Formats: sequence, C-alpha cells, structure tokens
Amino acid sequence: KAGVTQTPRYLIKTRGQQVTLSCSPISGHRSVSWYQQTPGQGLQFLFEYFSETQRNKGNFPGRFSGRQFSNSRSEMNVSTLELGDSALYLCASSSADGTGRDTQYFGPGTRLTVL
Amino acid sequence: QQQVKQSPQSLIVQKGGISIINCAYENTAFDYFPWYQQFPGKGPALLIAIRPDVSEKKEGRFTISFNKSAKQFSLHIMDSQPGDSATYFCAASSPSGSRLTFGEGTQLTVNP
Repeated sequence: KAGVTQTPRYLIKTRGQQVTLSCSPISGHRSVSWYQQTPGQGLQFLFEYFSETQRNKGNFPGRFSGRQFSNSRSEMNVSTLELGDSALYLCASSSADGTGRDTQYFGPGTRLTVL
Repeated sequence: QQQVKQSPQSLIVQKGGISIINCAYENTAFDYFPWYQQFPGKGPALLIAIRPDVSEKKEGRFTISFNKSAKQFSLHIMDSQPGDSATYFCAASSPSGSRLTFGEGTQLTVNP
C-alpha cells in the first residue's frame, strides 16, 4: 500500500496570505488527523476528520480549518498567515477502529515558511 | 491534564549502549501509549506501543516499561546503533478518538 502523501512538500508564503495543504491517506483509512510541528511547541494536534466530519479539534485559532472529502482525502487551510505559522504540517491517517488505539501513519509533512 | 512530559531533551550514547527515554503523563483517561521515531525530513513513524494492562512490551531491541500507578512509561533501546540516531517522541491517546498528545521529543545520537 502507498503511504500517506502530502502536497506540496514545501511552501513559502507572506504574512496575510492564505494557504491550502493537501493530504491523501492510506487506501482504506477513514480518519485523517493534522498536526503542527515546531521547534518551540513540538507536535501539536490541530484536528481530526472522520467520514467527512470533524471529530476532534485542538486548541488552535479559527484561522486554521480543514475538511475531508468523500474519498477520505483531506485539506487544511490557514487564513491570514502569521510569522508564527511557519512550521512542518503533518497529516496522519488511521483505520479508526473507534478505540483510539489504532496506529496513526504519518506523511512526510509540508514545510510552510511565512515571510 | 493533557500534557505528556518527556526527558531527556537530548541523549548521546555509545554504540552498543542502552538508551533510556522517560515520559510522564497526567491524564488518567489515556489508555494507549505509542512511541514514534522521526528522522530528519521524514514524518514520525510508529516504533512500538503499549496499553496500560501490561507493564512491559518488547519488540527486538526496543522495550517499553509502563508504571500505571506512577503514570510513567519509558523506552529502552538495547545495543544502540548509529542508525538509531533520530528524534523519539512518546505519545498518549484516550479512547475518545485518534488524538495523540506528544511529549517534547528526545534527540538521540549514537556514536560509532
């Protein structure tokens, strides 16, 4: 099976712009989660989508949003970019057996730089 | 209540030595504790995971020890190899969903 893919891998934006990142989960996986990774804050949970519905949400401002399509592919959007949004954005997919113990498989991430 | 504390921040061991990374959690609702390994330019990859109904789990050179009463768990890497040099994250999740709460990470360097 192909792994989790994320596009683009690198992105440079300026403050105030918006950005959309894409994630294709492993075939058959219905849950997609997004995480932000920074040197200062580490890995932080953004949100999780399951069957096109947001099931969990982390403690991020409303500028961060996402969606999931019927084929389980997911996008996350960040509006009005700030310098502090520079980070590696990771997508993870899982089969979501409902126990919270299913393995999450991470993609390589999208490196976002905000200038 | 949602935090997972990880130590040390960095660790240097000699080839063949034992690497030990410790984590502590607060939320008693956590019931799944995975460890992830991350190489530069890559996403985290699951290394080994444990549930609180067992005190130890071993897979090859990697062992998780779990102390439910102390709310602590640790990763032991036996016979550490230079190829083990990476950043290691402990994590925890509760049955309510797939949300992982990560520790701060430990940068492991294994010298040849």
